[in-house]
Amino acid sequence: DVKVTQSSRYLVKRTGEKVFLECVQDMDHENMFWYRQDPGLGLRLIYFSYDVKMKEKGDIPEGYSVSREKKERFSLILESASTNQTSMYLCASSLGWGRDEQFFGPGTRLTVL
Amino acid sequence: AQKVTQAQTEISVVEKEDVTLDCVYETRDTTYYLFWYKQPPSGELVFLIRRNSFDEQNEISGRYSWNFQKSTSSFNFTITASQVVDSAVYFCALSVLEYGNKLVFGAGTILRVKS
Repeated sequence: DVKVTQSSRYLVKRTGEKVFLECVQDMDHENMFWYRQDPGLGLRLIYFSYDVKMKEKGDIPEGYSVSREKKERFSLILESASTNQTSMYLCASSLGWGRDEQFFGPGTRLTVL
Repeated sequence: AQKVTQAQTEISVVEKEDVTLDCVYETRDTTYYLFWYKQPPSGELVFLIRRNSFDEQNEISGRYSWNFQKSTSSFNFTITASQVVDSAVYFCALSVLEYGNKLVFGAGTILRVKS
């Protein structure tokens, strides 16, 4: 079974803190993704990576950065957390593009106070 | 531009009722893929089905069926004889070449099945 794990299910941080969200997949997938899920907006793509050290901006990259130093690990970084970044963050991975389904982690619910 | 619309924000049914979740998509591309995902209360999205733009054949998997109609740009999902375990958020998503094959998600439909 493909397994995508995320470092925390719930996280509470203060405004201005640097926040790291970690994602690990165990199926040797090339592509990894970070989404943000908000009610009424569905999932919106923040960043994705198609190879180690490679990254591409998604639809809402502002205020976020990412790191992929190893194939199995994709980190999302909030350089200076703000209250409008309170959300559910979902990580996903896929073997290929287009037709290949994405496999999702359980999500991290981040609250920024 | 590519877009997915799930007009039904929330649907409530009683167990054993049939329910259809609507999905309408927009794209100018002729090659694309459509997906449905289920997000149970645990939070993890689960892949249900994929359809490519050249295959309009409807599909049935147990109590689940999908109706793909290019003429109306729709990819609707029907659950027959719904069960409480079907309660979840359901997302329709689109992948097109012009968007680099990234997934575009609809807003999701919350399905509540009451016993």
